[in-house]
Amino acid sequence: GAGVSQTPSNKVTEKGKYVELRCDPISGHTALYWYRQSLGQGPEFLIYFQGTGAADDSGLPNDRFFAVRPEGSVSTLKIQRTERGDSAVYLCASSLNGDTEAFFGQGTRLTVV
Amino acid sequence: DQQVKQNSPSLSVQEGRISILNCDYTNSMFDYFLWYKKYPAEGPTFLISISSIKDKNEDGRFTVFLNKSAKHLSLHIVPSQPGDSAVYFCAASRGGSQGNLIFGKGTKLSVKP
Repeated sequence: GAGVSQTPSNKVTEKGKYVELRCDPISGHTALYWYRQSLGQGPEFLIYFQGTGAADDSGLPNDRFFAVRPEGSVSTLKIQRTERGDSAVYLCASSLNGDTEAFFGQGTRLTVV
Repeated sequence: DQQVKQNSPSLSVQEGRISILNCDYTNSMFDYFLWYKKYPAEGPTFLISISSIKDKNEDGRFTVFLNKSAKHLSLHIVPSQPGDSAVYFCAASRGGSQGNLIFGKGTKLSVKP
């Protein structure tokens, strides 16, 4: 596709459930980032992939959060035992090699009820 | 503790006039600064960036100024247009990377015709 695609665009889940959020980066982009944006805040860094490996996962808030990028393209952000405080817009971005402009997707709005 | 601060949540400007959006940072290790623009229900879009070795970068109607001694940067938009109405985020990173960006909370700019 032309841009970064995130699915689903909206997700409502019950507290305690498991969710997966998907990101399709721009074709050929080796760098992929996940951010989380809570209401009234700026995006908050979660994790950065270079190829298949997590180059920096220092932003993951706790061990309920995990992300994979097994083939160096599509990435999945996984959240276990969701809590109401996990409600936010989850943004994915990709860049050609990590040193160039990052392009963001439209985000997935996660609501935990 | 906010490392990147945008102290004005909103700004209203008349069409054709200059818009000045401000950003302060606390971490002297930051060496790369970016501005992103965000429309509702869309991901942030890269606007302009500046390296800490420069004090000014210009791209069309957009100019970013960096004052390292004051740990302050500003985005000037001139002339402002109604289509510039959006939320503007200031972001900073270390090592010139586009990943692991630290974002401010954003300033909502309204340009009135």
